[in-house]
Amino acid sequence: DTGVSQNPRHKITKRGQNVTFRCDPISEHNRLYWYRQTLGQGPEFLTYFQNEAQLEKSRLLSDRFSAERPKGSFSTLEIQRTEQGDSAMYLCASSADLEETQYFGPGTRLLVL
Amino acid sequence: AQSVAQPEDQVNVAEGNPLTVKCTYSVSGNPYLFWYVQYPNRGLQFLLKYITGDNLVKGSYGFEAEFNKSQTSFHLKKPSALVSDSALYFCAVRQGDTGRRALTFGSGTRLQVQP
Repeated sequence: DTGVSQNPRHKITKRGQNVTFRCDPISEHNRLYWYRQTLGQGPEFLTYFQNEAQLEKSRLLSDRFSAERPKGSFSTLEIQRTEQGDSAMYLCASSADLEETQYFGPGTRLLVL
Repeated sequence: AQSVAQPEDQVNVAEGNPLTVKCTYSVSGNPYLFWYVQYPNRGLQFLLKYITGDNLVKGSYGFEAEFNKSQTSFHLKKPSALVSDSALYFCAVRQGDTGRRALTFGSGTRLQVQP
């Protein structure tokens, strides 16, 4: 399968714990995006990388959130000191240069107890 | 700022009938417009996009959409609905001709196709 992959698919954690999600984009896609989707809503943009450079960050991305893409391939999204309001589906997408379409992965569903 | 409105939470249509899912947008400059579909517990699947050119865009699974600049709309259409089209549909926009890549999504429209 050559689509965007995300791990884990599901994560349950207790409030105050740290969690980390991983996204592997489509091979040779140099642009990578993170979105968050809560129940009954459309996805909301969090951040965007071109290669290893983080070029856009939403105001939704509080200080507890950090994303990296150290080698311009896979990316990680870490949430520190999780809160119940962080419960959501975290979606990753990728796109190629000169290609406007963002292709989405299956998402990681986070539940904070 | 950019925004998308999907005025209908749910659209019901009988199988074999035409369907329309509405989307209006607000963005500075030229809009880049997209439709995605989401099945339960799945990510978003790309259906079609408008970047430039012909106002009528054809996409996957027989879907099409018409870009109307004067009405700032990008409605999704299909001539004959299938039960398997039942899903959640999202319209998205971003400002074209800029380095910013963030998509802004609508709240989604649930399409229910009855047999």
